[in-house]
Amino acid sequence: GDSVTQMEGPVTLSEEAFLTINCTYTATGYPSLFWYVQYPGEGLQLLLKATKADDKGSNKGFEATYRKETTSFHLEKGSVQVSDSAVYFCAQSSGNQFYFGTGTSLTVIP
Amino acid sequence: EAGVAQSPRYKIIEKRQSVAFWCNPISGHATLYWYQQILGQGPKLLIQFQNNGVVDDSQLPKDRFSAERLKGVDSTLKIQPAKLEDSAVYLCASSLAGGRETQYFGPGTRLLVL
Repeated sequence: GDSVTQMEGPVTLSEEAFLTINCTYTATGYPSLFWYVQYPGEGLQLLLKATKADDKGSNKGFEATYRKETTSFHLEKGSVQVSDSAVYFCAQSSGNQFYFGTGTSLTVIP
Repeated sequence: EAGVAQSPRYKIIEKRQSVAFWCNPISGHATLYWYQQILGQGPKLLIQFQNNGVVDDSQLPKDRFSAERLKGVDSTLKIQPAKLEDSAVYLCASSLAGGRETQYFGPGTRLLVL
């Protein structure tokens, strides 16, 4: 069935390091893809999304490209900051179903 | 614009007791979702409403969980009786029209069952 698999954490990086969090999906159709972020003590917030193949979603320096050929939607950021420390969730939606990955915890140290 | 509101933020109960959570979605959002997020896992959809009708409740443990969305606005989720494994964060989300629309989440209710 439809699902999302994302890179397990936790991930610890130094400030200004390059970030990649891998995400792959399994879907019977052509889903929309999302990255949500959950800061400590807060609810999930939409970070970025892409609705069709080759679309690139971007926000706050984060980017992810919808790759249909590899069924992937990897999250990247060129230079992370301490304030990016959070849990990141990849998700897909097709029809009325919404599927989340298990989340990847990121800690950025000064 | 006000976000999704949830209460209470925290609840501690003993097993076999009952508990209820409340959610007020963003004004104008037709679709409302309840998720269960167990520590270390992603959110799992429990039930989805479109206005006041149920779209999907396939993963709701109906022997102990119930939810309603009277008048198509606020919603309550109830657990009766609670089990230890129900300890989790219960998230409410809303979207304009469901499907592939972006979901907006509330802060969640953290439940601990002792």
